[in-house]
Amino acid sequence: AQKITQTQPGMFVQEKEAVTLDCTYDTSDQSYGLFWYKQPSSGEMIFLIYQGSYDEQNATEGRYSLNFQKARKSANLVISASQLGDSAMYFCAMREGYGGSQGNLIFGKGTKLSVKP
Amino acid sequence: EAGVAQSPRYKIIEKRQSVAFWCNPISGHATLYWYQQILGQGPKLLIQFQNNGVVDDSQLPKDRFSAERLKGVDSTLKIQPAKLEDSAVYLCASSLGTSLATQYFGPGTRLTVL
Repeated sequence: AQKITQTQPGMFVQEKEAVTLDCTYDTSDQSYGLFWYKQPSSGEMIFLIYQGSYDEQNATEGRYSLNFQKARKSANLVISASQLGDSAMYFCAMREGYGGSQGNLIFGKGTKLSVKP
Repeated sequence: EAGVAQSPRYKIIEKRQSVAFWCNPISGHATLYWYQQILGQGPKLLIQFQNNGVVDDSQLPKDRFSAERLKGVDSTLKIQPAKLEDSAVYLCASSLGTSLATQYFGPGTRLTVL
């Protein structure tokens, strides 16, 4: 079974509007971290935001916020006031705190976001 | 603060040739990772170092891939001999620790095997 599922291969959003990118995860660990990365066409993976499994409040970083619903195992990324520069691939990833994959980032397949002027 | 450095940025080789990639992590980061990202997919971990020791290399194709981090700072990833299916972007990342620390990535090396 996939550990990270991103069901939207591609998304379009109008400039200045908000957009939500979906991510669901699967783990039996109590301690884990959820990450979102942005990958522009240049190829570099840029860290956006982090949510720990014990964090009670949703993480926010500027225009990025993470809608964390633990019971649903959901960690959606919300980008407010989209900009043309937000056009990129977005990857959701998880690190489990214990077990054989300790420390490994497990990535989803990504969502390609295109911002329209 | 300088980010993760990688070189070369691009490499084109023929199958059965050898190739090496270099990575310099963020200063002070003890943990270093190499990922392989095939076109259209998310990155997949190849190997993880803690200082100069290997923590996890379970997904490294050891018959052709090797990696080292001799002094606990820079790292080299080698492919010998390369196959067509090795065409991918090779990403290096580093973090302060293992567990749940954030990983920061370099710009990657795009390898094309002809």
